[in-house]
Parts: sequence; C-alpha cells; structure tokens
Amino acid sequence: SQTIHQWPATLVQPVGSPLSLECTVEGTSNPNLYWYRQAAGRGLQLLFYSVGIGQISSEVPQNLSASRPQDRQFILSSKKLLLSDSGFYLCAWSVGTNTDTQYFGPGTRLTVL
Amino acid sequence: AQKVTQAQTEISVVEKEDVTLDCVYETRDTTYYLFWYKQPPSGELVFLIRRNSFDEQNEISGRYSWNFQKSTSSFNFTITASQVVDSAVYFCALSEAGVNKFYFGSGTKLNVKP
Repeated sequence: SQTIHQWPATLVQPVGSPLSLECTVEGTSNPNLYWYRQAAGRGLQLLFYSVGIGQISSEVPQNLSASRPQDRQFILSSKKLLLSDSGFYLCAWSVGTNTDTQYFGPGTRLTVL
Repeated sequence: AQKVTQAQTEISVVEKEDVTLDCVYETRDTTYYLFWYKQPPSGELVFLIRRNSFDEQNEISGRYSWNFQKSTSSFNFTITASQVVDSAVYFCALSEAGVNKFYFGSGTKLNVKP
C-alpha cells in the first residue's frame, strides 16, 4: 500500500532563516506530487506540483521553491523565511491523470517568528 | 469567481442529529470530478469520495451520503446520526480534465457536541 511521509511535523524558525521541508511517497512509481499551504483557519492554496523528476510547476510566485531530486521525493525550500510563510504545509500525491484522487500527508506546521 | 463555494463556514449540531454540508461548483467543462475531504484536528486531509460528472447517482457509505445534482451544480454531503468523531473541517474540491490542479472550497467546520 502507498504511504506518504512528511518531516518535520512541526518547525519554529526565525524570520530570515532558510527552510527545507521534505515529502516522500512509498509504494508507487512516478506519482504526481503537490505542495499546498493552509494558513490558520483558511482553505488550501496550491504552491507547486510536479509530474516527474526535475519537473516543477509553480502556482503562486513567492518566497518558496520546490525540487524533485528523486521520483518519490519532493522538497519545499526557502532561502529566507518571512512571517507570512507561517502555516500548515501539506504534501499530496496522485497517479494517473490530473483528475485522479490526491492523497495527503500528515503535514508540517511551520511557525515563523 | 470561485470555482467551489462552501457557503457554510461553521456548523454546530448535537450528537445524533443529521447534518448537510453544501458545496456548489462552477465549471464549463463537461468532464470533471468532484471530491470531499475531511480534515480532523490532527490536520491530515482524509479522502472521502470522488465522483465524475457523468455519474449523478447518489452514493451512501454508512452514515455518509452524497447528493450530486448537475442541474444546480451542487454536490452536497450529509452525515446521518452525527457523532463527536465527525467534528472536523470538510472540504469540497473540483478537478477539471486538462487542468493539473484541484479547486478547493474554503471548507466547512463541523462541530458535533455530545
């Protein structure tokens, strides 16, 4: 069966510090991968998606970047965090077409102080 | 314009009451898919259901049922005999063929009180 992992689970970082969040999927090959952000009490905002190694599409230009160095690994990064980067970051995967079900990881709660 | 509207921001019910969560969507595509997800306090989104635009049959899964009506562009979710464990934020989402993204509604927070 497929599983998706995210780490760390929680993170508190000072403004201006770098960020690296990791997401890995097990039990499937060539998944589509997604990064979402959820601000407190709000809906989900798609940040990036990837349909293959090295292929990244950005939905919202901002202080973040994503990379996919391996088939089942998706990394969200920032060189300098802003206060507005605080939120709950969710990674998701799907297979097949873009209309297939997305399955979500446990999330990382990021607080920037 | 929002693609998916969940007009109910928060609903509170007492355990064992039935509750319906509304979802209205907007699309010009003839092929699309609709989803419901549950987000409990732990934060992880849990997939509940996926329906395609060609299947308007209502679906029942235990205490959960979904009413898909293309004529009103709605995909409502009903929980029968609600339980405290149903307390969560529920999201409706739309996916269109050829567009590699989901359009999520803003979510409805359901509070089930004992």
